[in-house]
Amino acid sequence: EAGVAQSPRYKIIEKRQSVAFWCNPISGHATLYWYQQILGQGPKLLIQFQNNGVVDDSQLPKDRFSAERLKGVDSTLKIQPAKLEDSAVYLCAGQGPGGNNEQFFGPGTRLTVL
Amino acid sequence: GDSVTQMEGPVTLSEEAFLTINCTYTATGYPSLFWYVQYPGEGLQLLLKATKADDKGSNKGFEATYRKETTSFHLEKGSVQVSDSAVYFCALTSGGYNKLIFGAGTRLAVHP
Repeated sequence: EAGVAQSPRYKIIEKRQSVAFWCNPISGHATLYWYQQILGQGPKLLIQFQNNGVVDDSQLPKDRFSAERLKGVDSTLKIQPAKLEDSAVYLCAGQGPGGNNEQFFGPGTRLTVL
Repeated sequence: GDSVTQMEGPVTLSEEAFLTINCTYTATGYPSLFWYVQYPGEGLQLLLKATKADDKGSNKGFEATYRKETTSFHLEKGSVQVSDSAVYFCALTSGGYNKLIFGAGTRLAVHP
């Protein structure tokens, strides 16, 4: 089966610009997560969707970050305007139904804000 | 809140050496525990997991035992290979929605 797809793989922008990342999870994975991984740290959850509804966005900086999953399949994460401290790898993960709580991660998008 | 602490790296070993990467956690309730691995240029992959106390997760020669009494989930391998060079993350699931909380990661470098 195909894995989790993310694009772009790399993005360089200047501060105050906007940027968007796209994720397509494994087919049938109703739960989708966006994580932020700053260099030298472990991933930190930004937002979690169950189908197209948000179940946890408590750590999402809502003044500049937004995310949507309109049809319960692929998802977009946006930053507007970007700050220097947003430089990180943005990881998307999906989880299937049932009791197996394994999350499947995409390759990530590396964002550099200059 | 829930948290994971793992030993700082980098850990540098010779091929066939014994590996231990320490991981301790703080959590309310009964979390599931995981080790994820990130090979150079690749995404995070699940290495092994344990869902309850005294469970042992194992995969590819790696093992970790869920120790509730010491709140630990140390990763071990009896004989490492150069191909095991990667960053290893300990993690737990927290809350009712299964979000993962990760440690900071430990970089392992294995030399021939």
